Amino acid sequence: AQSVAQPEDQVNVAEGNPLTVKCTYSVSGNPYLFWYVQYPNRGLQFLLKYITGDNLVKGSYGFEAEFNKSQTSFHLKKPSALVSDSALYFCAVRDGGNRDDKIIFGKGTRLHILP
Amino acid sequence: DGGITQSPKYLFRKEGQNVTLSCEQNLNHDAMYWYRQDPGQGLRLIYYSQIVNDFQKGDIAEGYSVSREKKESFPLTVTSAQKNPTAFYLCASSMGPLEHNEQFFGPGTRLTVL
Repeated sequence: AQSVAQPEDQVNVAEGNPLTVKCTYSVSGNPYLFWYVQYPNRGLQFLLKYITGDNLVKGSYGFEAEFNKSQTSFHLKKPSALVSDSALYFCAVRDGGNRDDKIIFGKGTRLHILP
Repeated sequence: DGGITQSPKYLFRKEGQNVTLSCEQNLNHDAMYWYRQDPGQGLRLIYYSQIVNDFQKGDIAEGYSVSREKKESFPLTVTSAQKNPTAFYLCASSMGPLEHNEQFFGPGTRLTVL
């Protein structure tokens, strides 16, 4: 069975500083990994995904994520945070080796960018 | 939220009543999903459909029902059997059942049971 963990409920970062939102996963096959962002009272928006290939994936709004197979991690990063990045971020995983498995979402990390 | 609409945005229901949440997409996506979001619990899958006239239970299907008579529509009914229905409900769709396709989400419906 697959699982995903976001160890931090909340992350605070000063505007202009680099940010990292952590995600670790567990799957039996090859992982398909996703990051989504949710603004208040809105649906989720897709940011980026890792399927195969280059371990560094670039996505929307200047975000990127690094796939690390040995550490089973897929941390979300941005070099310089903006106040508008404040939102709820979800990591999700799917087992690429099993079509019957569904996508699993983490519990979310609330990101606060301090002006 | 482009391409997927959910209505209504806010819904109030009395205990013991069934209520149906609407989800429509114009993205020509084959797969559609219903999630429930509660504070601190992330998203939990209620039902999903990979093709018209077919759907499967997710992790928390009890007290809910769905239909998929048209590709564009995937309505969710919250029945009186659902013991704690107050939550934020999200509908999503994806291009197909392929594992690497990302999901597109609607704006959500907030259901409150009075």
